[in-house]
Amino acid sequence: DAGVTQSPTHLIKTRGQHVTLRCSPISGHKSVSWYQQVLGQGPQFIFQYYEKEERGRGNFPDRFSARQFPNYSSELNVNALLLGDSALYLCASSWGTVLSTDTQYFGPGTRLTVL
Amino acid sequence: AQKITQTQPGMFVQEKEAVTLDCTYDTSDPSYGLFWYKQPSSGEMIFLIYQGSYDQQNATEGRYSLNFQKARKSANLVISASQLGDSAMYFCAMAANQAGTALIFGKGTTLSVSS
Repeated sequence: DAGVTQSPTHLIKTRGQHVTLRCSPISGHKSVSWYQQVLGQGPQFIFQYYEKEERGRGNFPDRFSARQFPNYSSELNVNALLLGDSALYLCASSWGTVLSTDTQYFGPGTRLTVL
Repeated sequence: AQKITQTQPGMFVQEKEAVTLDCTYDTSDPSYGLFWYKQPSSGEMIFLIYQGSYDQQNATEGRYSLNFQKARKSANLVISASQLGDSAMYFCAMAANQAGTALIFGKGTTLSVSS
């Protein structure tokens, strides 16, 4: 079975631009979560979607938005890019059951560089 | 507030030896799950092992075991018979139901295995 897929793998943008990152979950999984990982740190939670509804949101500005489609794939959008948005963006999929028992499986990530 | 602490920035071990990676957590939620992930230099986050707060026995998955001490709020990962391929960054993470968010990660521990 295919794992979580993300596109693109790498991306270079300039300050002020907009970016869209895409994620396809494992077949059967209904929940997708997004994380930002800056160099040398652990991932930080951005969004979680379940059945196309936002289930949770981390401490990120409104420049960050996301959505989940009927096929459970997801997009993360970031507007007005700042240098500090340079990071590895990780997508994770899970069944979407009880949070404390719901193992999340990660994709390979999208490495975003903002110049 | 939920928090994960990993106090070992780096650990060094020889092949075939066992190694323990430390993790302490803080939560007031009685229902939570603890997860360990491995992140090689490629960036993908690989799920290793899960421990639920109500589990009576320590979790084991092949060469990985979790030393869960609930009263001390610790969830240390033990890797037996280390292999060169175990060299990577290791993250401890927690999901708590009442927090209403997805995973909270520690800062990680870099493990280096030498021959």
